Amino acid sequence: DQQVKQNSPSLSVQEGRISILNCDYTNSMFDYFLWYKKYPAEGPTFLISISSIKDKNEDGRFTVFLNKSAKHLSLHIVPSQPGDSAVYFCAAHVQGGSEKLVFGKGTKLTVNP
Amino acid sequence: DTGVSQDPRHKITKRGQNVTFRCDPISEHNRLYWYRQTLGQGPEFLTYFQNEAQLEKSRLLSDRFSAERPKGSFSTLEIQRTEQGDSAMYLCASLPTTGSLGGTQYFGPGTRLLVL
Repeated sequence: DQQVKQNSPSLSVQEGRISILNCDYTNSMFDYFLWYKKYPAEGPTFLISISSIKDKNEDGRFTVFLNKSAKHLSLHIVPSQPGDSAVYFCAAHVQGGSEKLVFGKGTKLTVNP
Repeated sequence: DTGVSQDPRHKITKRGQNVTFRCDPISEHNRLYWYRQTLGQGPEFLTYFQNEAQLEKSRLLSDRFSAERPKGSFSTLEIQRTEQGDSAMYLCASLPTTGSLGGTQYFGPGTRLLVL
């Protein structure tokens, strides 16, 4: 029972354009959503997060949008740069207890020069 | 370097052998997590420590797996009688007890295990 879904395994965009990565979730008990970026042979690196009571959070070139009614969030990267090429994981924070993260399968982003 | 460190980075073993991995969390981070990532999947939660107490274990953690954090600092994950299905990246993450808004966990580089 996959609670966090990233339905696009890969995305390719041109440098300077917008990258939009999508994520859907099924559990209404998540209180925060996070995006992690992962390069090969490295651990995931935190990128940006959003509280479930917000609908938008922005940090430089990265913006995350949350649509609670649709249980959908998206990460926008503008403008995209070749160094953004990586696997992006959507994760949901389980409030209380262990506060573990539940991850999606990831989307591999390729930004072409 | 004050990040999360893991050792070894790579491990190749034969089926049936035992392996042990080590994780050193960020100093003063009370909470420590182990995740497993297989090919094409996101990290999956295995277990969680607060200080030296193991407070949660996933059903993914079979009885061949054991994790410890004896002094509330570093942690070890042991897999006994390894199987080919254990081949994966094993990730460690840590988190301070306070000030961790939104549960932002800090991950180590992982240990890649290959069971032949």
